[in-house]
Amino acid sequence: NAGVTQTPKFQVLKTGQSMTLQCAQDMNHNSMYWYRQDPGMGLRLIYYSASEGTTDKGEVPNGYNVSRLNKREFSLRLESAAPSQTSVYFCASSESEANNYGYTFGSGTRLTVV
Amino acid sequence: QKEVEQNSGPLSVPEGAIASLNCTYSDRGSQSFFWYRQYSGKSPELIMFIYSNGDKEDGRFTAQLNKASQYVSLLIRDSQPSDSATYLCAVNKGAGGFKTIFGAGTRLFVKA
Repeated sequence: NAGVTQTPKFQVLKTGQSMTLQCAQDMNHNSMYWYRQDPGMGLRLIYYSASEGTTDKGEVPNGYNVSRLNKREFSLRLESAAPSQTSVYFCASSESEANNYGYTFGSGTRLTVV
Repeated sequence: QKEVEQNSGPLSVPEGAIASLNCTYSDRGSQSFFWYRQYSGKSPELIMFIYSNGDKEDGRFTAQLNKASQYVSLLIRDSQPSDSATYLCAVNKGAGGFKTIFGAGTRLFVKA
């Protein structure tokens, strides 16, 4: 039972490089989310997908794009990485957009932009 | 004012004691409340959720909700060193959105 799988686990980028973070869930959840976690600031929502075919901005969307490829997969793309994007990124999923039962998180991607 | 506030800690309790973690929120229309545990270098893990005023118990964990005072707490009975982690409070906002807002977390240290 894999739950939510994120790749890669670690990444170092140079300023201006691009990359895509991958996320897949096998729980048949409808909603998926991308958060970033920075020291002292908690988890902040970047983008979310309430259901397959829809995406919406969260609290901190600038510099990111997302794709809900199908019900299972939700990717996050950094087009031109900046040092301010150094963070830990978590993908999460929930049964529905109402999130009545909480999230299941992936193991995270630790990204450093130099 | 932050939407969800927690004391950053660290909160230090001896093994076997009760650990009390508190969280306040600003959106009076909030409807669902969650506690997550996050070990250092790991991802958050859901411990409990609560919707109604009062207490909800699950093993050594009790979540308490008081909507009138806009706070939610987590009690950990018989604290163990393995409970040492950061505890995140999360709140589903009320009308106008279903976004979940997280507090910055409280670090708990259980001394053996």
